[in-house]
Amino acid sequence: GNSVTQMEGPVTLSEEAFLTINCTYTATGYPSLFWYVQYPGEGLQLLLKATKADDKGSNKGFEATYRKETTSFHLEKGSVQVSDSAVYFCARPGAGSYQLTFGKGTKLSVIP
Amino acid sequence: NAGVTQTPKFQVLKTGQSMTLQCAQDMNHEYMSWYRQDPGMGLRLIHYSVGAGITDQGEVPNGYNVSRSTTEDFPLRLLSAAPSQTSVYFCASSYGTGRYGYTFGSGTRLTVV
Repeated sequence: GNSVTQMEGPVTLSEEAFLTINCTYTATGYPSLFWYVQYPGEGLQLLLKATKADDKGSNKGFEATYRKETTSFHLEKGSVQVSDSAVYFCARPGAGSYQLTFGKGTKLSVIP
Repeated sequence: NAGVTQTPKFQVLKTGQSMTLQCAQDMNHEYMSWYRQDPGMGLRLIHYSVGAGITDQGEVPNGYNVSRSTTEDFPLRLLSAAPSQTSVYFCASSYGTGRYGYTFGSGTRLTVV
């Protein structure tokens, strides 16, 4: 099926630390891949996306590279801030392509 | 730029009551979906629509009805609320298939007692 698997949380980092949140996807075709972010009490916001192999999505200092060889789309940021504290979701189009299939989310807490 | 608007933001229901969660988008998007978010479960698709008059079931449709009479609106109806429907509900829309990603509303937090 069309699924994504992301690392379990929660993740707690100190400010300015390096962040990696792992995400792998099932390799049915070449789907678009997404990272969404959910700040406390809010809905999901699209953080970045990549539509084909070797594409790099980037936004707000976050990056993720579409790796066909390893079926991965890991989220990285070189120096996290307290304001990055949120839940991060990896996603891909689901069956029929009309909806998204999400990972279970990774909660990130950044402490000063 | 309203995007996707959901109402209400919070709701408490008694078991057996019915209600409608409203969702409206002003981006002329063809595709709309309803998800529920539960701790440890991520987001699960309830129902979706690919255009006015066309709806289909997602992963967890039982206990919910939808209709799509206009492009803008996609209400979700709870027929007889149960405690298992306590959740946060998100409506989302897209101008294309899932390939382009979705724009989400801010959610409705529903508690069924």
